[in-house]
Amino acid sequence: EADIYQTPRYLVIGTGKKITLECSQTMGHDKMYWYQQDPGMELHLIHYSYGVNSTEKGDLSSESTVSRIRTEHFPLTLESARPSHTSQYLCASSAQGRTGELFFGEGSRLTVL
Amino acid sequence: AQRVTQPEKLLSVFKGAPVELKCNYSYSGSPELFWYVQYSRQRLQLLLRHISRESIKGFTADLNKGETSFHLKKPFAQEEDSAMYYCALASGGYQKVTFGTGTKLQVIP
Repeated sequence: EADIYQTPRYLVIGTGKKITLECSQTMGHDKMYWYQQDPGMELHLIHYSYGVNSTEKGDLSSESTVSRIRTEHFPLTLESARPSHTSQYLCASSAQGRTGELFFGEGSRLTVL
Repeated sequence: AQRVTQPEKLLSVFKGAPVELKCNYSYSGSPELFWYVQYSRQRLQLLLRHISRESIKGFTADLNKGETSFHLKKPFAQEEDSAMYYCALASGGYQKVTFGTGTKLQVIP
């Protein structure tokens, strides 16, 4: 079944650790996105990608980085996690020509101690 | 810059009462507007798009370019409508979607 998957769902780590949040989709979508959302707050776009080898920074500045080596995979990496990175990270994808119709994963909730 | 404003953080209505969730936007071009919904313990999902002019789960939304609004309406609220609702704008030519801060709808039995 076509879907978008995020792992891990929950992660608690110490300051200074390197972490990678995985996002994979089997929707066949070209566009993928990472949003950051604090509880009860709005979604902030931090990264997006048009396709393979294409990545752009979003509206909210983030110390994270992303890569898009394969169409279906869009991982997000934090080289050195800090408590300020504690948040929920949502991955989404959309089809070509249907930019506003996003399909979201279940999210990865990161807590940095 | 594009912006989406949802003035209400929380909207409480009684079951059977009409619902209107407000959304205003600012964008210089021709926008595409959407409503997304997140039910408790579920992922965020698309509810409806302005271009399709559809009614989903009894909800409708009309784009008013003069007032730059895209309010979500339902004539009779149901308990299962309780959720978080986000208005979103996709700007043509760009590859990103901007969300509002969201409104929590609470339907009181």
